[in-house]
Amino acid sequence: QQKVQQSPESLSVPEGGMASLNCTSSDRNFQYFWWYRQHSGEGPKALMSIFSDGDKKEGRFTAHLNKASLHVSLHIRDSQPSDSALYFCAASGATGGNNKLTFGQGTVLSVIP
Amino acid sequence: GPKVLQIPSHQIIDMGQMVTLNCDPVSNHLYFYWYKQILGQQMEFLVNFYNGKVMEKSKLFKDQFSVERPDGSYFTLKIQPTALEDSAVYFCASSLRGQKNERLFFGHGTKLSVL
Repeated sequence: QQKVQQSPESLSVPEGGMASLNCTSSDRNFQYFWWYRQHSGEGPKALMSIFSDGDKKEGRFTAHLNKASLHVSLHIRDSQPSDSALYFCAASGATGGNNKLTFGQGTVLSVIP
Repeated sequence: GPKVLQIPSHQIIDMGQMVTLNCDPVSNHLYFYWYKQILGQQMEFLVNFYNGKVMEKSKLFKDQFSVERPDGSYFTLKIQPTALEDSAVYFCASSLRGQKNERLFFGHGTKLSVL
């Protein structure tokens, strides 16, 4: 069973619209959550992190974490064609000594001009 | 920003041959990682490495896999011998101190095609 599950698998939004991506973990050991973005032909790049319950806003991007339900979301307002990419939710645990990130299967976002 | 360089970008080899994938991590980073991605989908953790030692590895890190970073040179992933199922894009990453609240910096990947 996937420890980090993302939905939807793919998403299309019009330019200027709002994109909402979701992520749920089945492992309560996960305490640190990240959103990574991967453009075609490149490696994933960290977009933002969220470690505490509630919202975290960085420009057009807002992440939300609910630790009780282990649910994380990413909302992109005023979506731009350059936001079209593969988005990963990634998590690491509170125990253990090393930073091992577990990735979800990804959401493909297409922003239509 | 900090960059991780991977060489080569694409490698084609015959099944059973040995292959070495090279990574030049961010210069002051101490922790290094390899991830495997198939068909542009999920990133699967292979191994992390610190101070000359493997710290943790996954079930995907088969006995045919090895990693090392000789002083002053690349962090490498060696596969010997290769199998068809090793075809994938391999991403190297590094982080400063390996702490769980740190971001990982990824390279652009090496696409490995095993024929």
